Amino acid sequence: GESVGLHLPTLSVQEGDNSIINCAYSNSASDYFIWYKQESGKGPQFIIDIRSNMDKRQGQRVTVLLNKTVKHLSLQIAATQPGDSAVYFCAEKVSGANSKLTFGKGITLSVRP
Amino acid sequence: GAVVSQHPSRVICKSGTSVKIECRSLDFQATTMFWYRQFPKQSLMLMATSNEGSKATYEQGVEKDKFLINHASLTLSTLTVTSAHPEDSSFYICSAREAGRSNEQFFGPGTRLTVL
Repeated sequence: GESVGLHLPTLSVQEGDNSIINCAYSNSASDYFIWYKQESGKGPQFIIDIRSNMDKRQGQRVTVLLNKTVKHLSLQIAATQPGDSAVYFCAEKVSGANSKLTFGKGITLSVRP
Repeated sequence: GAVVSQHPSRVICKSGTSVKIECRSLDFQATTMFWYRQFPKQSLMLMATSNEGSKATYEQGVEKDKFLINHASLTLSTLTVTSAHPEDSSFYICSAREAGRSNEQFFGPGTRLTVL
């Protein structure tokens, strides 16, 4: 069936470097995508979202890129900090009142001091 | 704004007992609430969707008689795990959506259930 998946289970980066977390999705009907951050023992925290009519969106230190041609989503974190250490999930959905979020598998970001 | 709370944050119970978890939207009216289950080092899996005043819609493989969901008001949904067993031990997370804002879902902090 349709699914959302991530390429890498873990990512280790040096503090201050940029991080890139990738996600592949397979539901071509999805038109809304979200990145979440989840710290240990807590619920998901919204980071940034993007609609399918865009290919890039920037927030504070984060950028999401969407490539609909290859069904690929990425999250870029600039100047990664120790507080960025967490599990990151991409999620996708088809817009609509009855639609549901589908979460990817998650990737652990570990920031080395 | 858009705060969702859960209670309790963690609970330990004996096998065979029932446990109720509450999910509240604190500053908005949640016409739709979602319940997720998350096992260690895994992703969130949707268990059911509930609309205020209606019966919940369960995902395939989720037993509705075991996981009772009630969404009686626009600010409260409850999940009751009936006759809990050790395999029900998990992290349960709710999220809420406001009417007219179909793309925005706000997540609660989760409830850690441990069944002995």
